Amino acid sequence: DAGVIQSPRHEVTEMGQEVTLRCKPISGHDYLFWYRQTMMRGLELLIYFNNNVPIDDSGMPEDRFSAKMPNASFSNLKIQPSEPRDSAVYFCASRDSGRGDTQYFGPGTRLTVL
Amino acid sequence: AQSVTQPDIHITVSEGASLELRCNYSYGATPYLFWYVQSPGQGLQLLLKYFSGDTLVQGIKGFEAEFKRSQSSFNLRKPSVHWSDAAEYFCAVGLRGNDMRFGAGTRLTVKP
Repeated sequence: DAGVIQSPRHEVTEMGQEVTLRCKPISGHDYLFWYRQTMMRGLELLIYFNNNVPIDDSGMPEDRFSAKMPNASFSNLKIQPSEPRDSAVYFCASRDSGRGDTQYFGPGTRLTVL
Repeated sequence: AQSVTQPDIHITVSEGASLELRCNYSYGATPYLFWYVQSPGQGLQLLLKYFSGDTLVQGIKGFEAEFKRSQSSFNLRKPSVHWSDAAEYFCAVGLRGNDMRFGAGTRLTVKP
């Protein structure tokens, strides 16, 4: 079975540009999570969805960040406008609540904002 | 508030030596506990997890971890480290798998 798929794997952009990160969860999983990993702050939960509905977005750093899950197979995380301090690795993870509490992570998107 | 502490930022062991990575948690109830491994440029891979039952859990790649309620610890062990084990290891605690908190990670270097 395919795992969590994220695209792009690497993104380099200039300050002020809009950035869109994409995630395809494991088929059948009803929870989807977005994390950010930085050297300074480690792994932080940004937002998570259950059955495509955002449940907790308290980790989203500011209004420049938004996330949507239009269907069970896709989610995106947008940053507009991007800033150099947004440079990080962004991970998507998914979970099947009917089969336990383990989150399965994608390979991540390394974002560099110049 | 729940939290998890990994006291060791970086550990170096020789290949073939035993390994123990420490993890302490703070939580009001018995949490769900996880160990993940992250190889350079990769996502996080689940090594093992503890929800209930036997306090010694076995994972993939020859790893095991022991839950000690009295010490609020969930240390990861491996009897003989291989060079391919060099990676970053994260302990995580959670309630019902959603609100997960990760430790800062321990970077493992394996000497030949």
